[in-house]
Amino acid sequence: GAVVSQHPSRVICKSGTSVKIECRSLDFQATTMFWYRQFPKQSLMLMATSNEGSKATYEQGVEKDKFLINHASLTLSTLTVTSAHPEDSSFYICSAIGGDTTDTQYFGPGTRLTVL
Amino acid sequence: EDKVVQSPLSLVVHEGDTVTLNCSYEVTNFRSLLWYKQEKKAPTFLFMLTSSGIEKKSGRLSSILDKKELFSILNITATQTGDSAVYLCAATGSARQLTFGSGTQLTVLP
Repeated sequence: GAVVSQHPSRVICKSGTSVKIECRSLDFQATTMFWYRQFPKQSLMLMATSNEGSKATYEQGVEKDKFLINHASLTLSTLTVTSAHPEDSSFYICSAIGGDTTDTQYFGPGTRLTVL
Repeated sequence: EDKVVQSPLSLVVHEGDTVTLNCSYEVTNFRSLLWYKQEKKAPTFLFMLTSSGIEKKSGRLSSILDKKELFSILNITATQTGDSAVYLCAATGSARQLTFGSGTQLTVLP
């Protein structure tokens, strides 16, 4: 099956610092990757959609200057949380789609971000 | 606005019971409906449904889609404690983005 990895799995940082999260598709080429955020006991909230080689499309209410997304290759997308604040603490999950013929999104294991 | 609604929000059963989880959707240019299981980490894929009336099965889990009624169910037979998780239903439209329901928290007691 399709495998998606995320790194790091957990990060704790001080307020004001920037944090980069990597999402990799390990055994397929991901034409599209998605970034989600999930608060405790809530469902996944889509933050942005990124296609390889083009700018990410952000959902309404998501600050593009705060959550920088780069999808430089067909196997790697990164999310950088800039100038993190405690309210950015959350579970960030990426997913990937391989090819144009499937809608199945395979999820990474998630990154738990805690901003002190 | 696209919408996916799951019911019940939570369910507590005993091992061996059969459960049915419900998912209704309103999605513009609907393409597919997906079920995921989420334990402590990120969701794991269970099923993708695109055609009405065709049941998909994997072991004790099965799912079916009714595109006329805009509805899907996920059945789990002979439940085990390892089935305890949040089950998420999601639908895709033309943009291929997933719209998730709020999930059903299933707890299976020994």
